Amino acid sequence: EPEVTQTPSHQVTQMGQEVILRCVPISNHLYFYWYRQILGQKVEFLVSFYNNEISEKSEIFDDQFSVERPDGSNFTLKIRSTKLEDSAMYFCASRRSRQGDDEQYFGPGTRLTVT
Amino acid sequence: QKEVEQNSGPLSVPEGAIASLNCTYSDRGSQSFFWYRQYSGKSPELIMSIYSNGDKEDGRFTAQLNKASQYVSLLIRDSQPSDSATYLCAVNKGSARQLTFGSGTQLTVLP
Repeated sequence: EPEVTQTPSHQVTQMGQEVILRCVPISNHLYFYWYRQILGQKVEFLVSFYNNEISEKSEIFDDQFSVERPDGSNFTLKIRSTKLEDSAMYFCASRRSRQGDDEQYFGPGTRLTVT
Repeated sequence: QKEVEQNSGPLSVPEGAIASLNCTYSDRGSQSFFWYRQYSGKSPELIMSIYSNGDKEDGRFTAQLNKASQYVSLLIRDSQPSDSATYLCAVNKGSARQLTFGSGTQLTVLP
């Protein structure tokens, strides 16, 4: 069964450094998402991406964040200058673009630790 | 008012019993509703989606939706210890159908 994959599973970085989190969505899906979950808190939407551009973003997704689909398979989230409060699990999700089917499937996540 | 509200629990049920999980949402325009299961340290796993009023059954799981009351529930029949997890209610919104999650209900099934 196709699944969303993410790399790395765990990233440790120092405050102020740039990180890139990678995702490979399910191959026939057209909508891609990033969510984050700070330890002990709820899953929060960051950004959605469709047709090679951002379609929606939350207040969390400020100028420090960017997303890109550099090729036909990868979908990346870049954090330019990490802060301690960026420590969280980051989940990629994807969805087919099909009438009446809004199901999103999540990858295993990347645990980001900023020290 | 929170957009998606769930009882945080913890909810404990004996093995073989029915577990009942509840969720309310604030946006009357919401169209699609989902239940995800999340084991500790893992990602959300989709277990049920429901789009119209009424019940939807899939194996031991039944989702119930009442749009007039803005209420979604999940029943787990014949609960197993492996069902012990946090259950997340999610509602989609916006043109991109991004998900808004509740804070989750922690379920423990006691052997």
